[in-house]
Amino acid sequence: AQSVTQLGSHVSVSEGALVLLRCNYSSSVPPYLFWYVQYPNQGLQLLLKYTTGATLVKGINGFEAEFKKSETSFHLTKPSAHMSDAAEYFCAVSGYSGAGSYQLTFGKGTKLSVIP
Amino acid sequence: EPEVTQTPSHQVTQMGQEVILRCVPISNHLYFYWYRQILGQKVEFLVSFYNNEISEKSEIFDDQFSVERPDGSNFTLKIRSTKLEDSAMYFCASSEGPGGGPQFFGPGTRLTVL
Repeated sequence: AQSVTQLGSHVSVSEGALVLLRCNYSSSVPPYLFWYVQYPNQGLQLLLKYTTGATLVKGINGFEAEFKKSETSFHLTKPSAHMSDAAEYFCAVSGYSGAGSYQLTFGKGTKLSVIP
Repeated sequence: EPEVTQTPSHQVTQMGQEVILRCVPISNHLYFYWYRQILGQKVEFLVSFYNNEISEKSEIFDDQFSVERPDGSNFTLKIRSTKLEDSAMYFCASSEGPGGGPQFFGPGTRLTVL
């Protein structure tokens, strides 16, 4: 079984400030971890993913995330927030369930507001 | 860049009616998924589909739901008799393969059941 916890349903940062969105997961199998972004009235866009290998992964739009197995965390960061980063961010985990698929389990999402 | 497409973008139906939501996955992808997002809630897995059969389904995916790949490009979700609680955004996704490969999502169909 897998689950994802995103701390903070709403995060506000000033333009130019550090963005930190927290994600903790639980998984009974080696996890694959993802961050997706959802802009208003749009679908889910993949920001970045961790499957194997390097634990610090870089994504689009200057975002990165670090997989920390000991902390079961996959926090998303960006050094300097931009107004266009305002959106909802979803952390997701998948792993082989034994049933032949890799369904994604999502967190509840964190809505990021950027203050000018 | 290839993308997943979904039609219609918004569907309004009366309770008890059948609806079919359509998706065109990315052409070389082999694994297909449906998720839904009730307003204000998290995205939930419904069903996965590979090699012309369901590989996994959630508790939500009861007998009222079915999926089909009627031809080489479309992937459909049918709800036989809609309920008010089926109102949600339905997302189709596809992936090239298993093994943690990323799933690419379509823009969604907003289903409103009156």
